[in-house]
Amino acid sequence: QQQVKQSPQSLIVQKGGISIINCAYENTAFDYFPWYQQFPGKGPALLIAIRPDVSEKKEGRFTISFNKSAKQFSLHIMDSQPGDSATYFCAASKGSSNTGKLIFGQGTTLQVKP
Amino acid sequence: GAVVSQHPSRVICKSGTSVKIECRSLDFQATTMFWYRQFPKKSLMLMATSNEGSKATYEQGVEKDKFLINHASLTLSTLTVTSAHPEDSSFYICSARDGGPNYGYTFGSGTRLTVV
Repeated sequence: QQQVKQSPQSLIVQKGGISIINCAYENTAFDYFPWYQQFPGKGPALLIAIRPDVSEKKEGRFTISFNKSAKQFSLHIMDSQPGDSATYFCAASKGSSNTGKLIFGQGTTLQVKP
Repeated sequence: GAVVSQHPSRVICKSGTSVKIECRSLDFQATTMFWYRQFPKKSLMLMATSNEGSKATYEQGVEKDKFLINHASLTLSTLTVTSAHPEDSSFYICSARDGGPNYGYTFGSGTRLTVV
């Protein structure tokens, strides 16, 4: 299942800074790339997602950059806030298939210092 | 938006007993649901794909006789951990496809299982 590799494992950012998390995938059949935020004891919540027909998507302070040829995508959190402190997971799936499995990266623990 | 309800949120059971976890899609029909397991400070590991009206598809290394999955309706999938042992203690999370145009996967809030 280890088809999505995520880095870094942990990240410390000052309030107001930019948090950057990277992911790489192997399966070229993947066509859906979401990012999830998870707080302790809770299920993951969708932050933002992208499909391979666009290279960038922005929603508020969150931006996904997608490089199809390199099979990489990244999450940028602008103006990071202490409330953003959580674990972030990238994922990938063949979303166009009804049974497409969502495969997760290893996760990044983000700490935003006030 | 799409909502998935998962119950119970926490359960403690004795070794050797069985535990059932329910996953319900509240405002949409989910032909496909997924079950994940998550260890502390680790990622979500896909256990199985549950399809309404048919047998679940298990990932390699997951014991189908240990983790029984039933998807009897378009809004309900259940995971039963049979003859639970302390090593089955974990955080179990379900997910459902909401069938929308954005390939959405909606997650439940998870179940913390502790086997004593």
